Parts: sequence; structure tokens; C-alpha cells
Amino acid sequence: DAMVIQNPRYQVTQFGKPVTLSCSQTLNHNVMYWYQQKSSQAPKLLFHYYDKDFNNEADTPDNFQSRRPNTSFCFLDIRSPGLGDAAMYLCATSKGGALLDEQYFGPGTRLTVT
Amino acid sequence: GESVGLHLPTLSVQEGDNSIINCAYSNSASDYFIWYKQESGKGPQFIIDIRSNMDKRQGQRVTVLLNKTVKHLSLQIAATQPGDSAVYFCAEDDAGNMLTFGGGTRLMVKP
Repeated sequence: DAMVIQNPRYQVTQFGKPVTLSCSQTLNHNVMYWYQQKSSQAPKLLFHYYDKDFNNEADTPDNFQSRRPNTSFCFLDIRSPGLGDAAMYLCATSKGGALLDEQYFGPGTRLTVT
Repeated sequence: GESVGLHLPTLSVQEGDNSIINCAYSNSASDYFIWYKQESGKGPQFIIDIRSNMDKRQGQRVTVLLNKTVKHLSLQIAATQPGDSAVYFCAEDDAGNMLTFGGGTRLMVKP
């Protein structure tokens, strides 16, 4: 059973045209993350939500925004995609809390910018 | 910090042999470590984790070793199978629920 679901799996957008990627989870986890992963590189954290608290990484461009309307859903908005934003976007969740634990990843959305 | 590179180091092993994938981590304050397996076109998949109060942990066909003195982590895969072919990332939790990923190693299993 899918626990972290990402839609769509493949997204093509035009240069400068806003695009939204979505993530949902059935785990009822407190924390949701968005990562960007380029070819042959490690995932790079963009931001995360701990419940409703939004935490942005210092080097995440302003072009990237996120929304978490409820526990289950989290969205990644790219306001004006550039060619350099073509990548795999990974959503992940974790329970949060004092005891550190693993992050559960979705299958990713591969974004192509034309 | 982030590892940047165009070419992943590659480990090529024969089917049935044991594989050892190594990782150097950066933060001596990190107290939780995970190995992830990522197949082409898929998200990272949890393999095994270890906390800093341990130096070894075993799973099914996998063992993780942690050497805090030299900040080194290794993943051992016994009797490597073609289905083990993937990119393997180590990750450290150094700020409470935040993972920093290592650069990744591509494992290729030859039949």
C-alpha cells in the first residue's frame, strides 16, 4: 500500500509557467519534506513542515514555495520554472518527535522544463 | 553539506559476493544514520538505520557499521543479488529530523 504518494509522476512545463507538484501521505506523520534531486546527485532539502510550521532551507530559491493545507497533503509550487529546475522532486515524511527516525520517501515527480 | 558531482563512484561486484559500501559523514554531533537504496526513477528506500550509541546493526543480508572516531559508516550486503543494483546513499541526522545525504555510490552486480 502506498504510504507517500506523489502526483503526477512526470510533469512537463514550459519555461516560466507556474507548476504545482503534490504529495499526500497515509502515515499521519507530523513532518513533511520536499527535496530536489538532480541526476547523479544526492537529494537536496528545499524545505519542510513540522505540523503547520514551515521551515525553509537558507539556500532554497524564492521561486520555490510550499503549502500544507492539512496533515495529509503538501504542495510544491514553482512560480517561474527555469531550465535549471528540471529535476526529480521527492516528498518525504517522518513522525517527528524527540526520537529520531527514518524518513519515508515517495516515488518522486520528474519535472521537465521546455 | 551537500555533495555535488556529475559522476557517482561505482562498485562492481559479482553476484553472490559480499559488497561493502563506505561513507564518511561530516558532523560529529550526528546521532542517527540511515542507509537508503535508490533504484532508477524511484524514490529512496530505507534499508537500515543505526543510532550513535551502537557500532553495529544487522538486518536481513545487510549490516551497518558505525565508527564514530573517524566518522565513518559502512553498509555490508551479503550474497549480493542483481536486485541489489542501485545507488546507495548514507544520510546523517544532524539537526533533529533533518537528513544530510552523502554523495551516493552506484552498486552494479554482475551475473
